[in-house]
Amino acid sequence: DAKTTQPPSMDCAEGRAANLPCNHSTISGNEYVYWYRQIHSQGPQYIIHGLKNNETNEMASLIITEDRKSSTLILPHATLRDTAVYYCIVRVRGSSNTGKLIFGQGTTLQVKP
Amino acid sequence: DVKVTQSSRYLVKRTGEKVFLECVQDMDHENMFWYRQDPGLGLRLIYFSYDVKMKEKGDIPEGYSVSREKKERFSLILESASTNQTSMYLCASSPRGSVNTEAFFGQGTRLTVV
Repeated sequence: DAKTTQPPSMDCAEGRAANLPCNHSTISGNEYVYWYRQIHSQGPQYIIHGLKNNETNEMASLIITEDRKSSTLILPHATLRDTAVYYCIVRVRGSSNTGKLIFGQGTTLQVKP
Repeated sequence: DVKVTQSSRYLVKRTGEKVFLECVQDMDHENMFWYRQDPGLGLRLIYFSYDVKMKEKGDIPEGYSVSREKKERFSLILESASTNQTSMYLCASSPRGSVNTEAFFGQGTRLTVV
């Protein structure tokens, strides 16, 4: 199973873009990159996922390098409500093709006024 | 609105007690997961189930068992609770098959074993 490496913490000014990096150098060709976040005292929330192309939705953008060994989650205009722990996950295939999720320690993003 | 519901938000149990944590999802998902979350360790997978009566061990199954008798319900069992099982427990579900899907999480159960 491919593992991910993220910085333990980052700060961002309110209204500015937050760029959260993730390394996944052992990713396999059929594994997707997922991003989740967890706001204090709540369950994790799905944000976005991608395979090799860049992706954008109403919450964020995901930039994946051409070699797929790293990616960056971009929150274009961070707000105080974006303060959370962000998890970068490589989706693996379980023994029955379930796409088992494996979480690491994540990056704590602090958005400051 | 889709939902994963965990039976208790907070629970206090004594060492040696048998503890049941219940999780119900209303999305007809095949996959269900149990995680525990501890400071500095992130989320760690305990068990997951990909169908009724089917289960597989995650990274830290020791001291736990699970039951999936119905598709919508996935139970985590602590046969004999110990203080090192004090933690936040999170249940999740996701559809089968394509990895092109996201998992939905419950709000968590904060278990304290005294």
